Amino acid sequence: DGGITQSPKYLFRKEGQNVTLSCEQNLNHDAMYWYRQDPGQGLRLIYYSQIVNDFQKGDIAEGYSVSREKKESFPLTVTSAQKNPTAFYLCASSIKLGLAGANTGELFFGEGSRLTVL
Amino acid sequence: SQKIEQNSEALNIQEGKTATLTCNYTNYSPAYLQWYRQDPGRGPVFLLLIRENEKEKRKERLKVTFDTTLKQSLFHITASQPADSATYLCALEGDMRFGAGTRLTVKP
Repeated sequence: DGGITQSPKYLFRKEGQNVTLSCEQNLNHDAMYWYRQDPGQGLRLIYYSQIVNDFQKGDIAEGYSVSREKKESFPLTVTSAQKNPTAFYLCASSIKLGLAGANTGELFFGEGSRLTVL
Repeated sequence: SQKIEQNSEALNIQEGKTATLTCNYTNYSPAYLQWYRQDPGRGPVFLLLIRENEKEKRKERLKVTFDTTLKQSLFHITASQPADSATYLCALEGDMRFGAGTRLTVKP
């Protein structure tokens, strides 16, 4: 089945450690996104990528890094510079962005990764 | 990016009633607006998309309206059921950003 897969579902990290969250899609989507969600709050955009080898910062990119070496993969690294990394992380993908950068399709989300810093 | 506001953080209604959720935006009118449902601990799931030239869109018990003059979309669930309890999010075309969501609870 086509879809978007995030792993791990749960992750614990000690302070000062970097951790990488995996996001893989087999939907042949060009655009991929990372969001962060805190309890009782909405989604905040961390990074997004419109095409392989290119990505842009979202609203809360500080302390995070991404790569887009393959169309189907968009891993997120939560670095030790992120002051409050405990959160629920969601990856999404959508079909190719249209003209003028407009998103032409719905976002398909993974099941999320819950990161807890001990 | 423009501001997206979902006015109610939480909405409680009785089973069988119609739930109405609001999404307002502040600047330019988007070409389309999307609504998503999110269950606890899960990723959001797309429900409906409405384009700026569509006043109303329906899907089963769901109805979405789009008023570019008021810069507002309304999301209705008719004959609500406890299974409709979830958080509902709106998103605007081109912005990749979501409103904070409205947590709907339908009581039996």
